[in-house]
Amino acid sequence: DAGITQSPRHKVTETGTPVTLRCHQTENHRYMYWYRQDPGHGLRLIHYSYGVKDTDKGEVSDGYSVSRSKTEDFLLTLESATSSQTSVYFCAISESRQNNSPLHFGNGTRLTVT
Amino acid sequence: DQQVKQNSPSLSVQEGRISILNCDYTNSMFDYFLWYKKYPAEGPTFLISISSIKDKNEDGRFTVFLNKSAKHLSLHIVPSQPGDSAVYFCAATLNSRNNDMRFGAGTRLTVKP
Repeated sequence: DAGITQSPRHKVTETGTPVTLRCHQTENHRYMYWYRQDPGHGLRLIHYSYGVKDTDKGEVSDGYSVSRSKTEDFLLTLESATSSQTSVYFCAISESRQNNSPLHFGNGTRLTVT
Repeated sequence: DQQVKQNSPSLSVQEGRISILNCDYTNSMFDYFLWYKKYPAEGPTFLISISSIKDKNEDGRFTVFLNKSAKHLSLHIVPSQPGDSAVYFCAATLNSRNNDMRFGAGTRLTVKP
């Protein structure tokens, strides 16, 4: 298994509070991704990173920001959580951006915004 | 706008029989297709893929078929085993890039002993 750790695994927070989810990898892969999984939608890309301090938006980036100050850590921040951000969040890594380098996913963080 | 669709939320098959999971897509520019498998409380894991220049790719019990004219992808599992019970996600990419990947909503496969 790829060395990917997501923390926390579960979180309940109130609307309007800031939340930060952490993804830590031990594979030294250049590319890291944050996805959310919702019923009826599959996985949707929020943000991705192609190196330290290099990030870009994905399909559903509104309301989210990311930071990558070290190769091994990719943080996802919800500045002011809303109920629509209740979801399961997955971090993924890959050696390259090309498809012959499949994504390896962490085990997810279940976030509930009340 | 769901560009990748898995119209069957669930599928149940008997152990030893064939499982066929289907996927349709709308964007003819997709050039690479993948299947991921997900067990409860775990992240998805890569299963098999196919390039748009091919129509079939096989890996052990798993075969993926691509019909570009119909914009249709299918995953065949033969023979099905109880350990195959999981949610299967179909995915498609543009420009062969991971950051341009679109996932279907998933199909839950149950293989009964």
